Amino acid sequence: AAGVIQSPRHLIKEKRETATLKCYPIPRHDTVYWYQQGPGQDPQFLISFYEKMQSDKGSIPDRFSAQQFSDYHSELNMSSLELGDSALYFCASSSGQGISYEQYFGPGTRLTVT
Amino acid sequence: GNSVTQMEGPVTLSEEAFLTINCTYTATGYPSLFWYVQYPGEGLQLLLKATKADDKGSNKGFEATYRKETTSFHLEKGSVQVSDSAVYFCALREYAGGTSYGKLTFGQGTILTVHP
Repeated sequence: AAGVIQSPRHLIKEKRETATLKCYPIPRHDTVYWYQQGPGQDPQFLISFYEKMQSDKGSIPDRFSAQQFSDYHSELNMSSLELGDSALYFCASSSGQGISYEQYFGPGTRLTVT
Repeated sequence: GNSVTQMEGPVTLSEEAFLTINCTYTATGYPSLFWYVQYPGEGLQLLLKATKADDKGSNKGFEATYRKETTSFHLEKGSVQVSDSAVYFCALREYAGGTSYGKLTFGQGTILTVHP
């Protein structure tokens, strides 16, 4: 079965650079969630989209922006990168935005900022 | 706000030992509760869930019961295997109004290592 695809899987950037992370949800899934997991930390919710509209926002820095496109894939844009942005970034998708819809997670993008 | 607290780890067990990982939560309403597992280098996988009080979620020999009176959702397995070595996250989801439908709030994670 098709799963959530994230690209790239690994990314190394320097401070103050920009990074773009991509998420391709499971086919026919219309909802995307982004989470950030720092080293040894629990995943923290960043932002979510339903039908290409932002549906919820968590602890996402103003330096970050995201959107969901017409084909339902999503991109997380991160500017003025800081060392503290080094983390594993997960994308999850679901077939609806209600609580009863299970979130399926991608393998994550490991971002290292040097 | 909502929060999830897991027992501090890591947990190291011998194969066939009994496993308990404690999880308690704080929520304003009636959340759904989950256990996710993360194997090395992989994403999070749903292990089991419970959506209302006294529900028992189970999968692959793992069980957890939604206890509203103690706000707990402890994970148990009667006989662990080496292949169960992973990080386990307790999590909750609660409708928060408007379009805030389904974000997950995670606990700190518990690293489980099972030795032969």
